[in-house]
Amino acid sequence: ILNVEQSPQSLHVQEGDSTNFTCSFPSSNFYALHWYRWETAKSPEALFVMTLNGDEKKKGRISATLNTKEGYSYLYIKGSQPEDSATYLCALNYGGSQGNLIFGKGTKLSVKP
Amino acid sequence: NAGVMQNPRHLVRRRGQEARLRCSPMKGHSHVYWYRQLPEEGLKFMVYLQKENIIDESGMPKERFSAEFPKEGPSILRIQQVVRGDSAAYFCASSPRGNQMNTEAFFGQGTRLTVV
Repeated sequence: ILNVEQSPQSLHVQEGDSTNFTCSFPSSNFYALHWYRWETAKSPEALFVMTLNGDEKKKGRISATLNTKEGYSYLYIKGSQPEDSATYLCALNYGGSQGNLIFGKGTKLSVKP
Repeated sequence: NAGVMQNPRHLVRRRGQEARLRCSPMKGHSHVYWYRQLPEEGLKFMVYLQKENIIDESGMPKERFSAEFPKEGPSILRIQQVVRGDSAAYFCASSPRGNQMNTEAFFGQGTRLTVV
């Protein structure tokens, strides 16, 4: 059974802190990794899609790296702001159809002003 | 350009009734995906549809669940003879392209089904 693990489960930081969290996955048959940001009472919002070992993507203060050989991806947030508070989901495609993603349970980030 | 619209947002059904969940994809998107989130679980893939075709239904329960995406109108996820275990949040997503693993999908806000 393919499993996507995210850690930590939850994280509380102060405004201005930088933070990072991890998505771990079996490295065989990897096709693509997606990061989503999910605010309470809203829809999950795509952040990054990564396919190549060594990929690094950046959007504003948020960046992500991918290591497919060892089976992990890191998501970094620089200078966290209260509006970054959300659950961050990682999802993997292992070669099924393009929507056939295996999701982790997410890391819930709370940023205190 | 409206996002992915799901309705109803909340649906209550008694055991044995039918539940119909609707999803209107973003304008210009012809690929729709349904996911289910059971309590305390992550999102789980159910089915991938293109207009008038089911592309991948490997995540759909074999009985009582069906999905369609007609040429005109929204995609429908139908659950017949609902049971308490069907209580969950059902999410729809859409994308403009097919056959590309790096395609971003845009999600709706979900339908929360409660079976009493």
